[in-house]
Amino acid sequence: DVKVTQSSRYLVKRTGEKVFLECVQDMDHENMFWYRQDPGLGLRLIYFSYDVKMKEKGDIPEGYSVSREKKERFSLILESASTNQTSMYLCASSLKTGRGYTFGSGTRLTVV
Amino acid sequence: GENVEQHPSTLSVQEGDSAVIKCTYSDSASNYFPWYKQELGKRPQLIIDIRSNVGEKKDQRIAVTLNKTAKHFSLHITETQPEDSAVYFCAASITFGNEKLTFGTGTRLTIIP
Repeated sequence: DVKVTQSSRYLVKRTGEKVFLECVQDMDHENMFWYRQDPGLGLRLIYFSYDVKMKEKGDIPEGYSVSREKKERFSLILESASTNQTSMYLCASSLKTGRGYTFGSGTRLTVV
Repeated sequence: GENVEQHPSTLSVQEGDSAVIKCTYSDSASNYFPWYKQELGKRPQLIIDIRSNVGEKKDQRIAVTLNKTAKHFSLHITETQPEDSAVYFCAASITFGNEKLTFGTGTRLTIIP
């Protein structure tokens, strides 16, 4: 059973803080993704990676960066957290050969 | 880029009745269309998917239909049960393999006992 683990379930940070969200998958998936989920907006893609040290911008990358130094780990970085980044963040992974994503349980981030 | 619209945003049906959720997509190059179910407080999980070379796919009480000409696809759930209550998301990708999914805004399905 593929497991995608996000380091924190709930996180509260102050405006201006640098925030790290960690995601680890244990099934040797090549691809990893970060989405944010907001009511009425669905899931929106922030960044994704098809390989180690590779990253590509999704639809809403502003205010975020990512790091993928190892195949199993994909980190999302909020350089200077703002209140409009309060959201549920979902990490996902997938095989290069296809067949959809496996999601993590999510991190609910509140920026105050 | 791709845009996926999903309707309705909420849907309530009597237990045992059928439920239909519809999505339209904008990029005619899209060829992979999965559906995810997210139960309250849980992660989204893939329940069924379809590729563009297929018009319909069934898995027990769940079916997905695709109309490439009209650029829309639908999820059909028959004989609904209380455990079908969840938020359902459709998605689309240009590629199958290394897919980059664009999601719809979700449908909250409530099954009334």
